[in-house]
Formats: sequence, C-alpha cells, structure tokens
Amino acid sequence: DQQVKQNSPSLSVQEGRISILNCDYTNSMFDYFLWYKKYPAEGPTFLISISSIKDKNEDGRFTVFLNKSAKHLSLHIVPSQPGDSAVYFCAARVQGGSEKLVFGKGTKLTVNP
Amino acid sequence: DTGVSQNPRHKITKRGQNVTFRCDPISEHNRLYWYRQTLGQGPEFLTYFQNEAQLEKSRLLSDRFSAERPKGSFSTLEIQRTEQGDSAMYLCASSLRSWYGYTFGSGTRLTVV
Repeated sequence: DQQVKQNSPSLSVQEGRISILNCDYTNSMFDYFLWYKKYPAEGPTFLISISSIKDKNEDGRFTVFLNKSAKHLSLHIVPSQPGDSAVYFCAARVQGGSEKLVFGKGTKLTVNP
Repeated sequence: DTGVSQNPRHKITKRGQNVTFRCDPISEHNRLYWYRQTLGQGPEFLTYFQNEAQLEKSRLLSDRFSAERPKGSFSTLEIQRTEQGDSAMYLCASSLRSWYGYTFGSGTRLTVV
C-alpha cells in the first residue's frame, strides 16, 4: 500500500515562477515529513522538513506547508531556477522511534530558462 | 568529509549468483541505513544499523539478503542467489544522531540478467 503518494510524475515551470509539488499521505501516525531532491546519478539530498505539529516551515526559497486534516503537504519553490530541475521525493517517518522513512514515488521538476 | 561512498557503482550479474555491495558512511556517523529503489519508485527501507547493531529490518529483506556492519564502520549488503526482481539501485545513507536528514550515497545499480 502506498502510504505516501505523489500523484504528479512530472511538473514543468518557467524560471522565476513558483513551483508547487504536492504530496498526500494516508498514515495518521506520521510525525515528520521531509523533502529530498535527487539529481541523476546521485543519491537523494535532504532539502527541508516539517513536524506534524506545525503547518509551515520556510528555508530560503523553499517552503513546506502541511494540512493535517487533509493529510496533504506541499513544497513551494520561489523563484524557481533551472538548477532546481531534479526529482523531488516526499518522505515521512512513523512516530514511535522508528528510523525508517517512507518515500513517495517522486515528482520530476523541470525549470525552463 | 568525502560523503557516503558506495562501491561498486554498477554491478551486472547472472541470475543465481551472489553479490556484495559496500558502503562507507561519513566517518563520525553512527547510524547507517540501506534502501532499495526500483524504476519509477521511491526508495524503500531495507535495514538500519546503530554502530554495529542491526536494529531494524524490513520484511523486504528476505532470507537471501544479509547486511553487516562489523566494528560499526563500513557496511556490506549481500544478496545470495540473485533474481531478476533484485535489479534495482541500492542506496546507503548515514546520519549522526537520528533519522533526521540522512546523507545518501550515490548508490549501487544492480542488474541481474
């Protein structure tokens, strides 16, 4: 069962505009959510996270929003840059001490110059 | 700090053969994780070590898979009697304190023919 869902396999935006990547989850026991970015031939790189007790976390051009009632989170990138072109994974951790992260399938973002 | 190193980068093997992958984590990191990523999917958790102790194992880690981390430094992942379904990218990650913000290696791509 897919507990973390990224329903858009790909997204294309123009440089300078906003990129919005979405993620839905089904498990109410997730207590942290993370976004990873992956370039080809490299491992995923941690980008930003949010605790389930918060609804927003911001780091420079990256902001993550969490809507617990809708079991939905989104990553906003403003302004988008060509170097942001990568696959973005949403991940979540189950509360209770597990070290395991559950990943979505990823969304490939292309930022066009 | 040279990051998380994985060897080999690519491995092609015949079905039924045994393979072993190596992961060298960031030197001060005491936590080490193995994930598997198949085409079009996000990384899936396999196992977790804290120092030399293997503390979590996924049900994905069948009897043919074994992981070790002798002396709490590098780790090896062995797959015995490989099957075509084992073809995937095997990712290793490490962290200093907890699951938060793993650092991933570039992975070992296994192709079973």
